[in-house]
Amino acid sequence: QSALTQPASVSGSPGQSITISCTGTSSDVGGYNYVSWYQLHPGKAPKLIIYDVSNRPSGVSNRFSGSKSGNTASLTISGLQAEDEADYYCSSYSSTSTVVFGGGAKLTVL
Amino acid sequence: QELLQESGPGLVKPSETLSLTCTVSRYSISRGYYWGWIRQPPGKGLEWIGSIYHSGSTYYNPSLESRVTMSVDTSNNQFSLNLRSVTVADTAVYYCARDPGTVTRNDWFDPWGQGTLVTVSS
Repeated sequence: QSALTQPASVSGSPGQSITISCTGTSSDVGGYNYVSWYQLHPGKAPKLIIYDVSNRPSGVSNRFSGSKSGNTASLTISGLQAEDEADYYCSSYSSTSTVVFGGGAKLTVL
Repeated sequence: QELLQESGPGLVKPSETLSLTCTVSRYSISRGYYWGWIRQPPGKGLEWIGSIYHSGSTYYNPSLESRVTMSVDTSNNQFSLNLRSVTVADTAVYYCARDPGTVTRNDWFDPWGQGTLVTVSS
């Protein structure tokens, strides 16, 4: 069982916006602004898309955005594209000085 | 940007030691940063195994700490993972990745290697 809770699946049509939630506790998500998000395509290296809650690495589309409220972080993808279909994982620093991940959310572009 | 590539046996017997190496290209490990290992069991989520600073300081997941050793080999620009006494539950895709923290860990990883599947089976 993963430390952070994500929906198992989300879906949306091209052009739409979707949001993936990531719920933790005050010991991880809620206690620190150290939430990151990763995109996993099968057979490819995972890709960092958001770090420190809302920062985008260079080269990541501005269609990806992150936020946090209390113990829940969110990843929003706007203008959904077929290439966005992938698994998305959230991660957070934890008070035990460890890194914890969510269980992953599978995004289907309809 | 740096390139990372995992290497090691794809099959390990139960109770034996899983040993993986991550070779870093386009960047000298001795210059800095933290370097991490993350795994993903089949059908499950990601799990942080631990991170190592370029100087050799290590940080392990408490759930694995008793079985894990990480090391850095600056002469070959590699870092390694040893996981002892493996069981079938250790079957996973193992990824190496860079944590770009310079003094303290950032605890986010970029870039990652493509991952290598390690199966624990007799």
